[in-house]
Amino acid sequence: EVQLVQSGAEVQKPGQSLKISCKGSGYTFTGYFIAWVRQMPGKGLEWMGLIYPGDSDTKYSPSFQGQVTISADKYISTAYLQWSSLKASDTAMYYCARGRQALDYWGQGTLVTVSS
Amino acid sequence: QSALTQPASVSASPGQSITISCTGTSSDIGNYNLVSWYQQHPGKVPNLMIYEGTKRPSGISNRFSGSKSGNTASLTISGLQAEDEADYYCCSYAGSSTWVFGGGTKLTVL
Repeated sequence: EVQLVQSGAEVQKPGQSLKISCKGSGYTFTGYFIAWVRQMPGKGLEWMGLIYPGDSDTKYSPSFQGQVTISADKYISTAYLQWSSLKASDTAMYYCARGRQALDYWGQGTLVTVSS
Repeated sequence: QSALTQPASVSASPGQSITISCTGTSSDIGNYNLVSWYQQHPGKVPNLMIYEGTKRPSGISNRFSGSKSGNTASLTISGLQAEDEADYYCCSYAGSSTWVFGGGTKLTVL
């Protein structure tokens, strides 16, 4: 059974760093890219970027370039999304999803709350 | 890279059909057969409903269908049921490993 299991909810203060994870199982991790998708409260889905775990090739949407870092460790089938300095506007639900022609399996989401 | 354009909301009665449009450009929808549609119920994870413009994943009802003409993709839901009430998002490949979502459409079943 294909599964993407994300790390738990986070509450952080502005300026702090954070790294959330997404662990894949039930399929060949390197055979698909992993995308990260943001959903701010009450808003729509936004494509942040993706990573090909086989070679860690990464592509960011322009809005997120320089704002976050996507990485992966293929040996433990895990992808990551990290921030070096959180802002209140980073408060959102973050989903990882497996992709080829479309995002066919999604993680359960990680709620990140940034508040002083 | 701009978001794809969807109507903010659509509504219809049970048993009727609706179509949600998704307008892009010749750089995304118009250039690739990689449009997908996702259904998201409140507080839930998005679910893939259509991929490659017209294909349904296993387990998705044949009441859901997709099409494309030029720079516009469409999702049609026939025989509306109460459980179809949700937000729907289109997504398209835009080249060079970039993808873009639409703004989302809220479907209300009256």
